[in-house]
Amino acid sequence: GAGVSQSPSNKVTEKGKDVELRCDPISGHTALYWYRQSLGQGLEFLIYFQGNSAPDKSGLPSDRFSAERTGGSVSTLTIQRTQQEDSAVYLCATSYGQGTEAFFGQGTRLTVV
Amino acid sequence: GIQVEQSPPDLILQEGANSTLRCNFSDSVNNLQWFHQNPWGQLINLFYIPSGTKQNGRLSATTVATERYSLLYISSSQTTDSGVYFCAGFTGGGNKLTFGTGTQLKVEL
Repeated sequence: GAGVSQSPSNKVTEKGKDVELRCDPISGHTALYWYRQSLGQGLEFLIYFQGNSAPDKSGLPSDRFSAERTGGSVSTLTIQRTQQEDSAVYLCATSYGQGTEAFFGQGTRLTVV
Repeated sequence: GIQVEQSPPDLILQEGANSTLRCNFSDSVNNLQWFHQNPWGQLINLFYIPSGTKQNGRLSATTVATERYSLLYISSSQTTDSGVYFCAGFTGGGNKLTFGTGTQLKVEL
């Protein structure tokens, strides 16, 4: 596609429920990143995928968070048993290769009530 | 870990004024980028500037990688320039785009 696409744009969920956030990368981009931005804060790295290599999961805040990338394309970030502190904007970025210019999607605003 | 500091943290300008935003990094980072986060939260790419100087309209940027800093120049500022400006560089072998602390810019009429 023309740009990085994320869905849904907004998600309101009840505490304790599981949520899935989706990221469709720019066609041909092999690197994919997930970030989290809490209200008024900077961007917190969550996870990085590069091609078929094992992902860098060093930024995931707890074992309730997981992500996968199928066929080197679409990625899904899953948050299990959501907590109120998970409320944030989740941003996905992709780049052509490792260390090259990254482009961000519009984000998914998650609200846990 | 690597720290990326931006200054000033907040800036208020009158429309038409010029400004310089600074990004300092504590260790070597690669392939520095500048982003503008608009009031709707969208991150807009401004510059991909590992080194040297680039210009795009009223904006220009300079990165001196050997001295671990980058500068973003905004000339003849407009109200639409308002938002948060982030610099970010790749660390950890290119696995992680580490973001700076951001500069909140407000341009007033």
